[in-house]
Amino acid sequence: AQSVTQPDIHITVSEGASLELRCNYSYGATPYLFWYVQSPGQGLQLLLKYFSGDTLVQGIKGFEAEFKRSQSSFNLRKPSVHWSDAAEYFCAVGPNDMRFGAGTRLTVKP
Amino acid sequence: ETGVTQSPTHLIKTRGQQVTLRCSSQSGHNTVSWYQQALGQGPQFIFQYYREEENGRGNFPPRFSGLQFPNYSSELNVNALELDDSALYLCALMDGTRGGYTFGSGTRLTVV
Repeated sequence: AQSVTQPDIHITVSEGASLELRCNYSYGATPYLFWYVQSPGQGLQLLLKYFSGDTLVQGIKGFEAEFKRSQSSFNLRKPSVHWSDAAEYFCAVGPNDMRFGAGTRLTVKP
Repeated sequence: ETGVTQSPTHLIKTRGQQVTLRCSSQSGHNTVSWYQQALGQGPQFIFQYYREEENGRGNFPPRFSGLQFPNYSSELNVNALELDDSALYLCALMDGTRGGYTFGSGTRLTVV
């Protein structure tokens, strides 16, 4: 069965610092992988997705993620975090009945 | 603006009651999924509809049911509400890119 693990429940970084959010997945076939962001009380916004091809994918808001099949990972990165990036981040595996991780809450210190 | 509209935005119901949540979009989508997101957790897959037929179901009891209409709008119905049904319910429409979904802002259901 497909599943997603996000090992970090809460991460705090300083504004301007780099960020990496971890995601590990379990899926029987070639996975479709997604990162979503959720602000308090809001729905989910797609940051980026990976289906095939180049394992480094670029998304919106300066985010990128790298698919590593050997490690079953799809970590999200951003070189310089802005205060507006504070939110909950979810990794998901698809393609159809998407399964989400429990999320990582990002706090940004001034 | 996501293009996906969910109504109502907030709802309070009493245990044992029934509730209907709605989802629609300005453009047609033949695949819709519903998710339940409890406080502090990730979204949990309830079920998916494709061309008005249920096309996959997560680990939810039969009292969670759905409909998809010819105009591609959708409903989620929950009977015999329990306190644990309190959550944010999200509708997700498959977009033109295979496997990608656009989410609505959700309906916050509180069961008292």
